[in-house]
Amino acid sequence: NAGVTQTPKFQVLKTGQSMTLQCAQDMNHNSMYWYRQDPGMGLRLIYYSASEGTTDKGEVPNGYNVSRLNKREFSLRLESAAPSQTSVYFCASRKKDNTEAFFGQGTRLTVV
Amino acid sequence: AQSVAQPEDQVNVAEGNPLTVKCTYSVSGNPYLFWYVQYPNRGLQFLLKYITGDNLVKGSYGFEAEFNKSQTSFHLKKPSALVSDSALYFCAVRGEDSSYKLIFGSGTRLLVRP
Repeated sequence: NAGVTQTPKFQVLKTGQSMTLQCAQDMNHNSMYWYRQDPGMGLRLIYYSASEGTTDKGEVPNGYNVSRLNKREFSLRLESAAPSQTSVYFCASRKKDNTEAFFGQGTRLTVV
Repeated sequence: AQSVAQPEDQVNVAEGNPLTVKCTYSVSGNPYLFWYVQYPNRGLQFLLKYITGDNLVKGSYGFEAEFNKSQTSFHLKKPSALVSDSALYFCAVRGEDSSYKLIFGSGTRLLVRP
């Protein structure tokens, strides 16, 4: 089973460029999440989607937008990348509120 | 707002000794609590969870965690550490308003020396 698939795995952007991080899950999960991981700060929630058709802000939403395209896919967009957005980004999904989340392998993004 | 604290950046333990990785939480209502492990250059893997029921929860790879409501803690434990347990460990709590938020702590690096 593929589980949660993120693309790309690595990306280098120039300041001001835009890009979309893609995430897809094949487990028929209802909820999907985007986190960023920075040294010493753990995982911080950017946006999440409790179910298809809904999205909500997490702890650090500024500078990002999301789209829950369908039940499988949840994309994260950086409209104008900044060096502060250099991070490792993880997508996750889970079926219900009391079940565990499954994570993708991450996207390492560098903004120069 | 809900929060999770992992007070130790790093825990060092000798192989064969018991280990404890600490986690405290703040959330109104009933907490749903989770532990995850991350190996280098990998995503997070689920270890165990507490939803309701017995305060001692058993999970993958011999790990267990004890839910303590009065101390608002959910410490991860293992009776005998292995070198292969060396990794980054994260505690997480579900959002207090059933919003499906899942909030993580800052992580604790576990180093098991031979």
